[in-house]
Amino acid sequence: EVQLVESGGGSVQPGGSLRLSCAASGSTFSSYSMHWVRQAPGKGLVWVSRINSDGRTTNYADSVKGRFTISRDNAKSTLYLQMNNLRAEDTAVYYCGRAAAGVLGLDHWGQGTLVTVSS
Amino acid sequence: QSVLTQPPSVSAAPGQTVTISCSGSSSNIGNNYVSWYHQVPGTAPKLLIYDTGRRPSGTPDRFSGSKSGTSATLGITGLQTGDEADYYCGTWDNSLNVGVFGGGTKLTVL
Repeated sequence: EVQLVESGGGSVQPGGSLRLSCAASGSTFSSYSMHWVRQAPGKGLVWVSRINSDGRTTNYADSVKGRFTISRDNAKSTLYLQMNNLRAEDTAVYYCGRAAAGVLGLDHWGQGTLVTVSS
Repeated sequence: QSVLTQPPSVSAAPGQTVTISCSGSSSNIGNNYVSWYHQVPGTAPKLLIYDTGRRPSGTPDRFSGSKSGTSATLGITGLQTGDEADYYCGTWDNSLNVGVFGGGTKLTVL
């Protein structure tokens, strides 16, 4: 069974940094593109970033471009999101998702990790 | 404001049929497959439909997806109280080179 488990969330002051991890098991991690999606409290889903299967191609939402970096370690079956210069509006639950069903067909999701940016 | 537009809410009685629309443009829905997700508040989203009209194993055939031009539609027949959730459409935008979701539709089964 495919499992995605996020970690690394927490509380941070504006301007601070966090690194989220998403550990995958139960499938060939290196075969799939992976995405990060976030959801602010009481709000809808917002796409954040994507990385292709070999890690060579990345895409970012304008709201995080230049501040967030997506990466992956296929040997460790782990996806990362390095978040720098965090802002209050980055407060959200962050989900990782596996794109095995089309470009935004995320067939498996993690449980989510909460990032709170507040002074 | 979302790139894809969904109605904020829809409602219908148990056993009835409901449709949820998702409106976009030629740079996203018009030239890409659409996915639909179902989310019970406090839990992770779950893939319902991919490639516009295909169901993953586990999605009942009461759920269907279609597309016409720059709009997509999720249909649910034989509504059950357990279908109450938030529903999101999503796709890729070729012009912006980003993923895009609709704002979500809250389904209430009266």
